[in-house]
Amino acid sequence: QTVVTQEPSFSVSPGGTVTLTCALSSGSVSTSYYPSWYQQTPGQAPRTLIYSTNTRSSGVPDRFSGSILGNKAALTITGAQADDESDYYCVLYMGSGIWVFGGGTKLTVL
Amino acid sequence: EVQMVESGGGLVQPGGSLRLSCAASGFTFSSYWMHWVRQAPGKGLMWVSRINSVGSRISYADSVKGRFTISRDNAKNTLYLQMNSLRAEDTAVYYCARESDGYNWDFDYWGQGTLVTVSS
Repeated sequence: QTVVTQEPSFSVSPGGTVTLTCALSSGSVSTSYYPSWYQQTPGQAPRTLIYSTNTRSSGVPDRFSGSILGNKAALTITGAQADDESDYYCVLYMGSGIWVFGGGTKLTVL
Repeated sequence: EVQMVESGGGLVQPGGSLRLSCAASGFTFSSYWMHWVRQAPGKGLMWVSRINSVGSRISYADSVKGRFTISRDNAKNTLYLQMNSLRAEDTAVYYCARESDGYNWDFDYWGQGTLVTVSS
């Protein structure tokens, strides 16, 4: 069974930079998995931030960026703001019409 | 404006059935592949199922295969999820999500979700 792993929690200071990662239980994450990233605040639906590894969704500030770092997908927030405090989820397309979400990272800005 | 509104959630006993609907507007529904994604209380997102634009290609997560059925009515701009043999672990907010075009394999718009509670 494929497991996608994210850091359960992370903390960043206002104005700071943080990189959240998304790893596969077996193997490396590559662009072939089309990693995408979603932001969710409590009680709200997810919002798309990044798709196809590094393309920002419409209206997403450029302080959010996606990449492959080593064998993981990564979401970097540069110049974190208070309203970036949210849960962040990655999802990988496994092929054959199957997607797997990571467990999510709770980001605290303080 | 793209909108998707889920309905049909509620309280159901273990072993029971429920049908969720997702009414779409603001885009050409019949052109898009659609998904269901769920989120158990206090937990992360879990992909459930996908259907192509004409309903001929369907996939499911292993945990719901054989119990859930995704379908769509393009004339009514509505996506469905028929859920049978429900278990306590199916308790979640169920979101419908639109798959973006262009083979990026991501979800570009989400509904607000409908809560399903499986309990006796």
